[in-house]
Amino acid sequence: QSALTQPASVSGSPGQSITISCTGTTSDIGAYNYVSWYQQHPGKAPKLMIYDVSDRPSGVSTRFSGSKSGNTASLTISGLQAEDEADYYCSSSATSSTLVFGGGTKLTVL
Amino acid sequence: QVQLVESGGGVVQPGKSLRLSCVASGFTFNYYGMHWVRQAPGKGLEWVAIISYDGGDKHYGDSVRGRFTISRDNSKNTLYLQVNSLRAEDTSVYYCARGADGYIDYWGRGTLVSVSS
Repeated sequence: QSALTQPASVSGSPGQSITISCTGTTSDIGAYNYVSWYQQHPGKAPKLMIYDVSDRPSGVSTRFSGSKSGNTASLTISGLQAEDEADYYCSSSATSSTLVFGGGTKLTVL
Repeated sequence: QVQLVESGGGVVQPGKSLRLSCVASGFTFNYYGMHWVRQAPGKGLEWVAIISYDGGDKHYGDSVRGRFTISRDNSKNTLYLQVNSLRAEDTSVYYCARGADGYIDYWGRGTLVSVSS
């Protein structure tokens, strides 16, 4: 169960778009359309932002979108806002029951 | 609304044990699989364990298999994690989380376990 690979940090200015990548293997991201993304502000619990690769839960801004190609998933945030500054984690099913997380990406809004 | 409230964390010596609890409300607990996820200070999320809706199926992460045991009491809407043979590297915030198909849709606020002599 090796962690998925994410960049340690990304940054962007307000109004810009950024993309966070998440690379796995043929055993996790490549095997399942069960990629999810979580936002975590300091000292808070994670919050689900994207599930099933590209679906948004009710209440999550349409500025957040997800995609997948092969063993790599991506989270794109458009129209960057100050409140988007947080840590972001990807996750994938690793078997029919288990999960694996990425190492996390710190998003800085300049 | 969905609420998950963890308890049972604290400071414990290496080699000792703890039982973490998570009380669920706002949804039909026995319909859902449940997870434990942990986060060491300043580090990322690590998936720990999952239990099926009826407790009949359990799976563990490699780093805790054989030392941790997940269980549930559906009559009490409560999820448990028995953590044994604790090591310094088990120091983390432990989150209880509700499972959906291939992802986690709700998280508790977590309980801190600190392993130190």
